[in-house]
Amino acid sequence: DGGITQSPKYLFRKEGQNVTLSCEQNLNHDAMYWYRQDPGQGLRLIYYSQIVNDFQKGDIAEGYSVSREKKESFPLTVTSAQKNPTAFYLCASSIARDSSNQPQHFGDGTRLSIL
Amino acid sequence: QKEVEQNSGPLSVPEGAIASLNCTYSDRVSQSFFWYRQYSGKSPELIMSIYSNGDKEDGRFTAQLNKASQYVSLLIRDSQPSDSATYLCAVIHMEYGNKLVFGAGTILRVKS
Repeated sequence: DGGITQSPKYLFRKEGQNVTLSCEQNLNHDAMYWYRQDPGQGLRLIYYSQIVNDFQKGDIAEGYSVSREKKESFPLTVTSAQKNPTAFYLCASSIARDSSNQPQHFGDGTRLSIL
Repeated sequence: QKEVEQNSGPLSVPEGAIASLNCTYSDRVSQSFFWYRQYSGKSPELIMSIYSNGDKEDGRFTAQLNKASQYVSLLIRDSQPSDSATYLCAVIHMEYGNKLVFGAGTILRVKS
């Protein structure tokens, strides 16, 4: 079945550690996104990519990094510089590079906590 | 003013009633609007998209858009307990490089 797969479902980070969240899609979508959701709050954009080998910072990129070496993959690294990483991380994709009217579809999310 | 505003709720309605969820947005030139449903602990699921003024119906759901008033709403007819969730309004903000901007969501509780 086509979809967006995020792994792991739960992740624990030790202080000073970098961790990488995986996002893979087989929908042949051009654009991919990473969001962070904190309890009771809306989604905030971390990074997005509209094409392979290119990505842009979102509203809260500090302490995060991404890569887009393949169309189907958009991993997110939460670095030790992110001092408050505990949140629900959501990966999304949309069909078009110019996403002016395309909805985004989400993976099941990764819940990250600090040990 | 926030780019997308929703009443956080909770909005409580009895089973079988109509639930009305509202959203206002700040970008006067936005053309694309979406409603997502998010169950507790789960990811958002797209349930409706609307691009033109007026109503768009899909089963028990009706989305309503009024661009002049910068207002979009979602009506859920014959509400069921399984509709209990957080409903997120999302708007593609052309002023912000076509980014999808989400409201904080309205919690809906349908009482049986």
